[in-house]
Amino acid sequence: GAGVSQSPSNKVTEKGKDVELRCDPISGHTALYWYRQSLGQGLEFLIYFQGNSAPDKSGLPSDRFSAERTGGSVSTLTIQRTQQEDSAVYLCASSLASSSNQPQHFGDGTRLSIL
Amino acid sequence: QQQVKQSPQSLIVQKGGISIINCAYENTAFDYFPWYQQFPGKGPALLIAIRPDVSEKKEGRFTISFNKSAKQFSLHIMDSQPGDSATYFCAASSSRQLTFGSGTQLTVLP
Repeated sequence: GAGVSQSPSNKVTEKGKDVELRCDPISGHTALYWYRQSLGQGLEFLIYFQGNSAPDKSGLPSDRFSAERTGGSVSTLTIQRTQQEDSAVYLCASSLASSSNQPQHFGDGTRLSIL
Repeated sequence: QQQVKQSPQSLIVQKGGISIINCAYENTAFDYFPWYQQFPGKGPALLIAIRPDVSEKKEGRFTISFNKSAKQFSLHIMDSQPGDSATYFCAASSSRQLTFGSGTQLTVLP
């Protein structure tokens, strides 16, 4: 079956612009995660969704970052007024459930470059 | 505060050799410890995982050794191959999100 799909694969934008990153999780996976991978910070958790529960936003670095998950499936990560330090690879993962021992399956990410 | 410390940062081994990557954690609430393999331009792929009630888990050439009292775990890659050249991340989880180590870039020389 299809894995986690992310789009676009690459995004270049000017500082101050807003960007939207999309994630299509594996069909049937109820848990969805966003992570950020950057050279200086490694892999960092951003936000997590589980079914219809309120998302865990504890990893979002600032209020410029937000995410939605519509219909329990597709998710969009939005970064407003982008800054150069937002340049990174944004990774989405999904799992069957949110318990700790459920494997998380990652997409190939969106490489975001802020000029 | 970094909760999962990984070493070495980079590792070079000869084909057929054993690659060993080590991780240490601080949070005793962690109860799931996966290892991920990542190739350039790709997302991390789950390699093998272990629960703290098991001291060792082997899948093919990959083995996780887990020492609960020392709060350490390691990945051993036996008979390392050039195709194993990638970045390896250890991780730990107590509920939902994964906390990752800083990664090890493995190079296996032919």
